[in-house]
Amino acid sequence: ELQLLESGGGMVQPGGSLKLSCAASGFSISNYAMNWVRQAPGKGLEWVSVRSGSGETTYYADSVKGRFTISRDTSKNTLFLQMNSLRPDDTAVYYCAKDSGGGYSIYWYFDLWGRGTLVTVSS
Amino acid sequence: EILLTQSPGTLSLSPGERATLSCRASQSVSGTYLAWYQQTPGQAPRLLIYGASSRATGIPDRFSGSGSGTDFTLTISRLEPEDFAVYSCQQYGSSPLTFGGGTKVEIK
Repeated sequence: ELQLLESGGGMVQPGGSLKLSCAASGFSISNYAMNWVRQAPGKGLEWVSVRSGSGETTYYADSVKGRFTISRDTSKNTLFLQMNSLRPDDTAVYYCAKDSGGGYSIYWYFDLWGRGTLVTVSS
Repeated sequence: EILLTQSPGTLSLSPGERATLSCRASQSVSGTYLAWYQQTPGQAPRLLIYGASSRATGIPDRFSGSGSGTDFTLTISRLEPEDFAVYSCQQYGSSPLTFGGGTKVEIK
C-alpha cells in the first residue's frame, strides 16, 4: 500500500527551527517529485516546496524561500523539510504530497498525501 | 498569481442529492490544468479530478469535473455519506500553483 507518514511537528518559538520528516512506503521517492503543502488554521492549502525525482531540482514558495530547505534520504525513502527562522504565520498543518508525474517530470498535482503534522509557532 | 475563489463556502445537502461546487479563477487557467481534492478531518487529502475533468484512479463515477478558462465545476451526482467533506480546487497551469479556499459539503 502506498503511504506517506509525516512527523516532527510541534510547538516552537518565533525565530526557532524545526525539521519535518515524511516516510514513504510502497514506492520509491527517487521515482517521483515530492512536495510539502501546508494549511494554516481555517485557511486553504498552500504549496511550500518540491524536490524533483532526480533530486537535482528544487523550488520554493516565495513565502518560505531562504528559510526552508527540502531534502531527502533515498536510502531511508524519506523526505525532509528543514524550517528555520520560523514566524507565527508559518503555523499550519504540513502535508507531504507525491507528485503524480513519474521519472524526472513534475506534473504539479498530487495523487498521494499524508495526514499531516502540526507546526505551531508561538511565544 | 492566480486567485481561486470557491463557492459556496458551505453547501448543506441530504444524502442522495446532487452537489455542484464552483471554482472561479482570477485569470484563465492554462491548459485546463485544474485539480480537485477532498479533505475529511484527520484524513489525508485525496485527489479526485485532474486536468479539469479526468477522474483519478479509484474515484467513483458520481464525481465529475468540467470547465475551462476561468470557470470550473465539480459535480457529485448523488451524495453518499462518505462524501460530506471539504473540497478544494488547485490550478497548476501557472506559477505559483495555487489552491482555492475550499467548499464544505455538510449534511442538511
